[in-house]
Amino acid sequence: GAVVSQHPSWVICKSGTSVKIECRSLDFQATTMFWYRQFPKQSLMLMATSNEGSKATYEQGVEKDKFLINHASLTLSTLTVTSAHPEDSSFYICSASPPNNQPQHFGDGTRLSIL
Amino acid sequence: DQQVKQNSPSLSVQEGRISILNCDYTNSMFDYFLWYKKYPAEGPTFLISISSIKDKNEDGRFTVFLNKSAKHLSLHIVPSQPGDSAVYFCAASINNAGNMLTFGGGTRLMVKP
Repeated sequence: GAVVSQHPSWVICKSGTSVKIECRSLDFQATTMFWYRQFPKQSLMLMATSNEGSKATYEQGVEKDKFLINHASLTLSTLTVTSAHPEDSSFYICSASPPNNQPQHFGDGTRLSIL
Repeated sequence: DQQVKQNSPSLSVQEGRISILNCDYTNSMFDYFLWYKKYPAEGPTFLISISSIKDKNEDGRFTVFLNKSAKHLSLHIVPSQPGDSAVYFCAASINNAGNMLTFGGGTRLMVKP
């Protein structure tokens, strides 16, 4: 079945550090990938839609200069949290849709902890 | 404004019995509905979906029912097993199951042996 791999699974770093998270579709090509954020005991909130070869589409309230998204190939999207601060600590999850109207498949998420 | 709501944050069921998880939505443009299962520190796993042209879809122990007039869907798991214990999210999209998803808040299901 469709597999989405996300790396790293857990990051702990100091305030002010920039952190890059990778999302790969392993056995299919994805022109579109999605980035979500989940706070403890809350739902998944869509942050942005990542489009291969073009700019990402950000949801209202998400700072595009803070959360840089690059979708350079049909199998890789990256999310960079720039100059991360403790309030950016969260669980970040990516997803991608296989072709032909199939449901999104999710990566295992990245737990980001900013000290 | 929450467009997809799961009003029960948790549900406890005895093994072998039926689990019924509910979901309501407000946006009449939604025409694809999906259920995902999530364990802690993992990404959601797709379970089952339904398009708005149907009112029922079944896959093994999992059945999803859709009531468009009430803007309500439910997931039935029967018989429930301890391994089903997880958080279940319903999600909705427009036009395409692979499009942007709007998630409900999740329901934590606990199946007791």
